[in-house]
Amino acid sequence: AQTVTQSQPEMSVQEAETVTLSCTYDTSENNYYLFWYKQPPSRQMILVIRQEAYKQQNATENRFSVNFQKAAKSFSLKISDSQLGDTAMYFCAFRAGNNRKLIWGLGTSLAVNP
Amino acid sequence: GAVVSQHPSWVICKSGTSVKIECRSLDFQATTMFWYRQFPKQSLMLMATSNEGSKATYEQGVEKDKFLINHASLTLSTLTVTSAHPEDSSFYICSASGPFPPYEQYFGPGTRLTVT
Repeated sequence: AQTVTQSQPEMSVQEAETVTLSCTYDTSENNYYLFWYKQPPSRQMILVIRQEAYKQQNATENRFSVNFQKAAKSFSLKISDSQLGDTAMYFCAFRAGNNRKLIWGLGTSLAVNP
Repeated sequence: GAVVSQHPSWVICKSGTSVKIECRSLDFQATTMFWYRQFPKQSLMLMATSNEGSKATYEQGVEKDKFLINHASLTLSTLTVTSAHPEDSSFYICSASGPFPPYEQYFGPGTRLTVT
């Protein structure tokens, strides 16, 4: 069975600094997707970034980038130039290529301090 | 991007009554919809997966007679909480995905249910 582990329940960062959120996963699949979702206080889930396992290049979306280490089954999220609006819960999620279900981590609560 | 709506966003009901939550995909055909439950400061817990025109598949431990799911069209799924009790109070989130890879899930804004 696939599992997703986020080992940092809470983190904080100063505005404009960089922070990295950790995520590890376990699977025997070769074809899969990894995601980072943001859930701000409004509780609307927002896709931050997606990584296809077959792609070696790390995905980036503006200030958000991932460090995808397939052999180590690690998928960390780096937020550069942190902004107050980045304050949210961040969830790492896994989906096997032939399955529509998402497997969720427990989340990391990130606070960006002014 | 694709938009998913939920209605109502917030509902209070009395113990023993039923409440229906709607989930709509506004600009795409959602062949699969998912219903999640989320407790404060916790992760999402998948309750069931529904495919258009088929019966929903419930996760282990979820009472199918209590949480009735209908996915009668490609744009609408409903979750009915029957004979609600205070322990059913929670935040319910739906998501929808289309018929083509990568089967991205798009999330509704959630519904806060309070049972008194």
